[in-house]
Amino acid sequence: SQELEQSPQSLIVQEGKNLTINCTSSKTLYGLYWYKQKYGEGLIFLMMLQKGGEEKSHEKITAKLDEKKQQSSLHITASQPSHAGIYLCGADLVAAGNKLTFGGGTRVLVKP
Amino acid sequence: GAGVSQSPRYKVAKRGQDVALRCDPISGHVSLFWYQQALGQGPEFLTYFQNEAQLDKSGLPSDRFFAERPEGSVSTLKIQRTQQEDSAVYLCASSQDFAYNEQFFGPGTRLTVL
Repeated sequence: SQELEQSPQSLIVQEGKNLTINCTSSKTLYGLYWYKQKYGEGLIFLMMLQKGGEEKSHEKITAKLDEKKQQSSLHITASQPSHAGIYLCGADLVAAGNKLTFGGGTRVLVKP
Repeated sequence: GAGVSQSPRYKVAKRGQDVALRCDPISGHVSLFWYQQALGQGPEFLTYFQNEAQLDKSGLPSDRFFAERPEGSVSTLKIQRTQQEDSAVYLCASSQDFAYNEQFFGPGTRLTVL
């Protein structure tokens, strides 16, 4: 969706290195969701952010929502092959609390 | 099962055929969503149900697309007179409540229209 831009579109990282994915909108992100998808499978929920300045972490993954609620980042520390996949950000752009608009995804490959 | 299930997982249709895609949400989940994911793209919203009521169908691409959830549980997405541009993965998701809850996604149905 052009309403939600993800960058980069793809990246290759060496195992053990950190990586960051960005998700940007010109509209307010009323709810921002990060999902991971492997080929041929559905989306696996990672984290949801709602408040400006909010930050959440789970294992080696940290997600942040900026104060203006127009940009989010997903950071993976010390990447492992299991982190490979497609990362998608999805957002509620209309404060309806239900349907999500997704970015185009970021394809991550972790080289052993 | 514990998760959202979809059937069939793969469907090949000839152009002009009608298809029906099924979604079994997590038991007790009020909200159900359908998304369409083209190859290499993020999912795009199609339609949303709250129990049996279809509250938003703004994402349905044309009147060939029809979705129903008659008893507030299982949902079916029907595509009439399929066209090649309908080829995509159709994802179903359900969530427990009305707003700002995690949407649990099924594995999707990959539709190929020849």
